[in-house]
Amino acid sequence: QKEVEQNSGPLSVPEGAIASLNCTYSDRGSQSFFWYRQYSGKSPELIMSIYSNGDKEDGRFTAQLNKASQYVSLLIRDSQPSDSATYLCAVISDYKLSFGAGTTVTVRA
Amino acid sequence: ETGVTQTPRHLVMGMTNKKSLKCEQHLGHNAMYWYKQSAKKPLELMFVYSLEERVENNSVPSRFSPECPNSSHLFLHLHTLQPEDSALYLCASSQVFSGGAKDTQYFGPGTRLTVL
Repeated sequence: QKEVEQNSGPLSVPEGAIASLNCTYSDRGSQSFFWYRQYSGKSPELIMSIYSNGDKEDGRFTAQLNKASQYVSLLIRDSQPSDSATYLCAVISDYKLSFGAGTTVTVRA
Repeated sequence: ETGVTQTPRHLVMGMTNKKSLKCEQHLGHNAMYWYKQSAKKPLELMFVYSLEERVENNSVPSRFSPECPNSSHLFLHLHTLQPEDSALYLCASSQVFSGGAKDTQYFGPGTRLTVL
């Protein structure tokens, strides 16, 4: 069983729309959750971290965490072409950071 | 230099070569990591060093040999690699290795390795 699962996509959204990315994880004891963005050929860059149930907003990005459902999501509001990238969900489990395979997002101009 | 740097950015080597990848972090962090990223696969953790001690070795073949001489530098020594080892090798660092919020990892630009 995969530790961190994401919809692989690709997810195509029109410019200005909301992109919704989902992630589930298997370790119920996980406490720290991260979203990274990775442009093609580049390294992952941190977008947000979240540790408590509920929503956390940072600019156009909102992370949502539900530990009871073992679910974390990322919403991108007012999507821009520059948001086109692969988004990686990462969860700390047993001290290690486990990554999902990523969801590729394409924002259509 | 700021953040996490890696050299070389690209490397092509034969199966009988010996080469080394270098990572340096300028963030004052105490933990450093090596990851392998192959096409269409999740990042795979290879090694973790905390305060210059190896704390994790994720069943990595012995043809990969890490070295952490101090908290700012991390090396990955490569020898007799196989073509399937071709991948993007990423270095990361975090403030600590504790399983909590201070484990936020920051990545270097990676080394694109091709084994012929």
